[in-house]
Amino acid sequence: QKEVEQDPGPLSVPEGAIVSLNCTYSNSAFQYFMWYRQYSRKGPELLMYTYSSGNKEDGRFTAQVDKSSKYISLFIRDSQPSDSATYLCAMIEETDKLIFGTGTRLQVFP
Amino acid sequence: KAGVTQTPRYLIKTRGQQVTLSCSPISGHRSVSWYQQTPGQGLQFLFEYFSETQRNKGNFPGRFSGRQFSNSRSEMNVSTLELGDSALYLCASSQGQGQETQYFGPGTRLLVL
Repeated sequence: QKEVEQDPGPLSVPEGAIVSLNCTYSNSAFQYFMWYRQYSRKGPELLMYTYSSGNKEDGRFTAQVDKSSKYISLFIRDSQPSDSATYLCAMIEETDKLIFGTGTRLQVFP
Repeated sequence: KAGVTQTPRYLIKTRGQQVTLSCSPISGHRSVSWYQQTPGQGLQFLFEYFSETQRNKGNFPGRFSGRQFSNSRSEMNVSTLELGDSALYLCASSQGQGQETQYFGPGTRLLVL
């Protein structure tokens, strides 16, 4: 079993929809939780990072962490075709290494 | 500020050869990390350097090595290339030792024939 599980998708939604992306993890020692967006042929781009359980909002993006369930989510409101990309969750373990999920491919169609 | 730059962007090598990839971090950033990204395994951590010292290392064989220079630029070397080393190699930089705010470069796509 991988330390971080993420549904690979693809997830296909119409423009304007609310998108929910999720990751589960097994290591309760994970402390920081990040979401990255990766466009084709580009490096990952940091979207958000959170430390504690709860919600963090940035524009159309909301990151949610539930440490008790070992579950994190990224919500995208009013999704746009330009949001079409692969979304990677990542977590930092106690040895300070970054562990990534395999990524979820999102397609937003007009 | 200029972002993280990586050279070369594309590389084709044959089995048994060695390769050196270069990374220039964002100005002022002292930490550089390297990752390998493949369709099957996703993004996997290779190693991290901070102030010219390797601070952390992933689970890769000794054929993968790296170093960091006094200007924070970093290189990674892969010796005795294998077909399975074909991947996108990504470099990321951060200001301090924290991994939570890393910024990635565009990557070097290596194809081993």
